[in-house]
Amino acid sequence: GAVVSQHPSWVICKSGTSVKIECRSLDFQATTMFWYRQFPKQSLMLMATSNEGSKATYEQGVEKDKFLINHASLTLSTLTVTSAHPEDSSFYICSAANRAFTEAFFGQGTRLTVV
Amino acid sequence: KQEVTQIPAALSVPEGENLVLNCSFTDSAIYNLQWFRQDPGKGLTSLLLIQSSQREQTSGRLNASLDKSSGRSTLYIAASQPGDSATYLCAVHFSGTYKYIFGTGTRLKVLA
Repeated sequence: GAVVSQHPSWVICKSGTSVKIECRSLDFQATTMFWYRQFPKQSLMLMATSNEGSKATYEQGVEKDKFLINHASLTLSTLTVTSAHPEDSSFYICSAANRAFTEAFFGQGTRLTVV
Repeated sequence: KQEVTQIPAALSVPEGENLVLNCSFTDSAIYNLQWFRQDPGKGLTSLLLIQSSQREQTSGRLNASLDKSSGRSTLYIAASQPGDSATYLCAVHFSGTYKYIFGTGTRLKVLA
């Protein structure tokens, strides 16, 4: 299957700072990328969907000004958690799909801890 | 509302048992369904992908079936091993949407 690389795999930051997470599709052009959040012992919840060159579409209840998503190229999307707080501590996973969207490929996730 | 549910939420079995994990979804109009494995604190590993036109997929000891009309998929694991212990997630790509909806997951523990 296709490879999606997510970086960093883990990060610890101080409350009030911003953190950027990168998601790269290494061997295909990702027309659409998805960002999920997973709290402990819960399933993945979709935060937002981004199409290359367009503004992201956020799911209900997700603050777009807090979770900034940029999908400037067909191989890279970034999620920036702005002014992070301890309640933002979670596991963030990105996913990428090509134009046909016959399958989605997932990154290995980023564990964010805000102290 | 399009939802995906998995039962049981947790399962503990002795090594060697064959087992079935269930996934149900509220809308039969789907593009595909994917089963994943997630180890604690890790990302997702794709196990099987079933397209809407398919009834089942097999990979090694794993077999996934799809019954769209009843809104169900099952993941069959044969001769379970302790290394199979993980959380298993199913995700559905519903028609008319451009995203996957994940189920609640089944936490499997295979005892040696």
